[in-house]
Amino acid sequence: EVQLVESGGGLVQPGGSLRLSCAASGFTFSTYSMNWVRQAPGKGLEWVSYISSSSSTIFFADSVKGRFTISRDNAKNSLYLQMNSLRDEDTAVYYCARDKTGGVDAFDIWGQGTMVTVSS
Amino acid sequence: SSELTQDPAVSVALGQTVRITCQGDSLRSYYASWYQQKPGQAPVLVIYGKNNRPSGIPDRFSGSTSGNTASLTITGAQAEDEADYYCNSRDSSGNHWVFGGGTKLTVL
Repeated sequence: EVQLVESGGGLVQPGGSLRLSCAASGFTFSTYSMNWVRQAPGKGLEWVSYISSSSSTIFFADSVKGRFTISRDNAKNSLYLQMNSLRDEDTAVYYCARDKTGGVDAFDIWGQGTMVTVSS
Repeated sequence: SSELTQDPAVSVALGQTVRITCQGDSLRSYYASWYQQKPGQAPVLVIYGKNNRPSGIPDRFSGSTSGNTASLTITGAQAEDEADYYCNSRDSSGNHWVFGGGTKLTVL
């Protein structure tokens, strides 16, 4: 079964750091680009970051650029999001999402999400 | 513009046809993808590319684009189609992705 499982969420104070992980299974992780997408409570979806299959290309949303880092370990079938200098507005469910192959822009597989709460 | 605009809410009678739209300048260059999200669940891809459905998505879901507007059409809406629907595409730079604000679909 193709699956993505996020972990690492929790409660953190403003200015703090957190590292999210996404474990992939059921497909050849190393051949897929990956993304992080978040959703604040009661709000819509917001794309956060993209990493290509080889990690050679990385993009960030302006709202997190300079504070968040995306990485992956293809040997461990894992995707990461290092979040520093966290703000109240970073409070959200964070999803990892797989890029569909074939040159088509779409996120075809999503994890169940992990909740990040930034609060003092 | 890097924004995608959706109507906040749409309703449809059971078994009727409904169109959910998404407007944005980037749609002149990039196809939209569409996601269904039910309460407490992760989004699910329902339409991508010109008009493609992932396996398992009913054929009552279809997509189209005209100019700067992408549309998701549900022909013969079912009760289980009640959900939030989001469009997504790259922005005009091609280096970022943007979601529409979402449309809450109510099936009456």
